[in-house]
Amino acid sequence: AQKVTQAQTEISVVEKEDVTLDCVYETRDTTYYLFWYKQPPSGELVFLIRRNSFDEQNEISGRYSWNFQKSTSSFNFTITASQVVDSAVYFCALCEAQYNNNDMRFGAGTRLTVKP
Amino acid sequence: DAGVIQSPRHEVTEMGQEVTLRCKPISGHNSLFWYRQTMMRGLELLIYFNNNVPIDDSGMPEDRFSAKMPNASFSTLKIQPSEPRDSAVYFCASSLPLSGGAPNEQFFGPGTRLTVL
Repeated sequence: AQKVTQAQTEISVVEKEDVTLDCVYETRDTTYYLFWYKQPPSGELVFLIRRNSFDEQNEISGRYSWNFQKSTSSFNFTITASQVVDSAVYFCALCEAQYNNNDMRFGAGTRLTVKP
Repeated sequence: DAGVIQSPRHEVTEMGQEVTLRCKPISGHNSLFWYRQTMMRGLELLIYFNNNVPIDDSGMPEDRFSAKMPNASFSTLKIQPSEPRDSAVYFCASSLPLSGGAPNEQFFGPGTRLTVL
């Protein structure tokens, strides 16, 4: 069964620090998709990125970057020069795509607090 | 454009009462998902629909929970009878799978915070 582990329950940093949120996944499928979502204090989940298992290129979007390593089954998320507005719970999720399955499994989430 | 709409936003009810949560997905999206979020269990997928048809309801906790999608623009999640342990935030999400059925970004509604006394 698919599984996502976010070992860091809570992280606290001071503004402008870089921070990396870890995500390790388990799957037997060769085709799968990984996601990151942000849940700010308002409660709504916001999509950040989608990556398929065949694309190991790292991605950068502004202050956000993602490191996908199939060899270690990890899909880590780094925020550079963190800001107070980055404070939120961040979820990593895995979706196995065999047979068009859209069953998305979320990790437990990492609560990031960025202090001014 | 309107996002996923959920109602009510908050619901407080007494144990044993029937609760109905409603969701309107984004127009054009043909996949709809119901999730439950609690401190203890995190985000759990309860059920999802493709083209109004339930595909996987293995996450539905028990027979007290039922979900329907009578048309492409409306879905309900019903709990009857409700129990205090059902207290949680219930999210509805919708998506438009990519070509070949590959999963795409899910757009989440604001959630319904349910409290069962």
